[in-house]
Amino acid sequence: QSALTQPASVSGSPGQSITISCTGTSSDVGGYNYVSWYQQHPGKAPKLVIYDVSNRPSGLSNRFSGSKSGNTASLTISGLQAEDEADYYCSSYTSSNTRIFGGGTKLTVL
Amino acid sequence: QVQLVQSGAEVKKPGSSVKVSCKAPGGTFSNYGISWVRQAPGQGLEWMGGFVPIFATPNYAQRFQGRVTMTADKSTSTAYMELSSLRFEDTAVYYCARERVTKTFDHWGQGTLVTVSS
Repeated sequence: QSALTQPASVSGSPGQSITISCTGTSSDVGGYNYVSWYQQHPGKAPKLVIYDVSNRPSGLSNRFSGSKSGNTASLTISGLQAEDEADYYCSSYTSSNTRIFGGGTKLTVL
Repeated sequence: QVQLVQSGAEVKKPGSSVKVSCKAPGGTFSNYGISWVRQAPGQGLEWMGGFVPIFATPNYAQRFQGRVTMTADKSTSTAYMELSSLRFEDTAVYYCARERVTKTFDHWGQGTLVTVSS
């Protein structure tokens, strides 16, 4: 099964908003509300930032939000800050009872 | 703060096996699953498989079927991932992650670097 499709890179200036898309199929992203997003800084373990499509873990900034339409999920980061620069991965449950990740998106804060 | 603590880095020869451990807080296995995710150098995340220890029936990604074995020792709250017939391309950081019922990986281990080298 191929990875979910994410843009390789996105960029934005401090204070701006960016959106990262994650496209799958009706057998994964489109079929379940089990989409999550992870932030990974270089050399570090991934960190959960959005779960169940649009929920934020306790204590996480409300600058992070998630949504889904059809087979595409999205992560939006508003009020960009330097510390948001990282790799971001989406993940989804699948109809085969497996999990699948996106290829990852490198966010650059200009 | 939930901490998953993994075993240290390993260097293995092609064709051999590696076993990585992941110690979780007590009680974890009663309410959560454990998945294993790997990341090759400069590459993205790849789900290898996972299971809910109280059910003891792992579910492996197809590409690892026959080469991976995931187990857990409930008495010590430790999960294990063993990968056999190692190839150079298995060089990666291997992570364990606690998985919620809703398939969310909410806490991750620090990662274990496995290097396959002759």
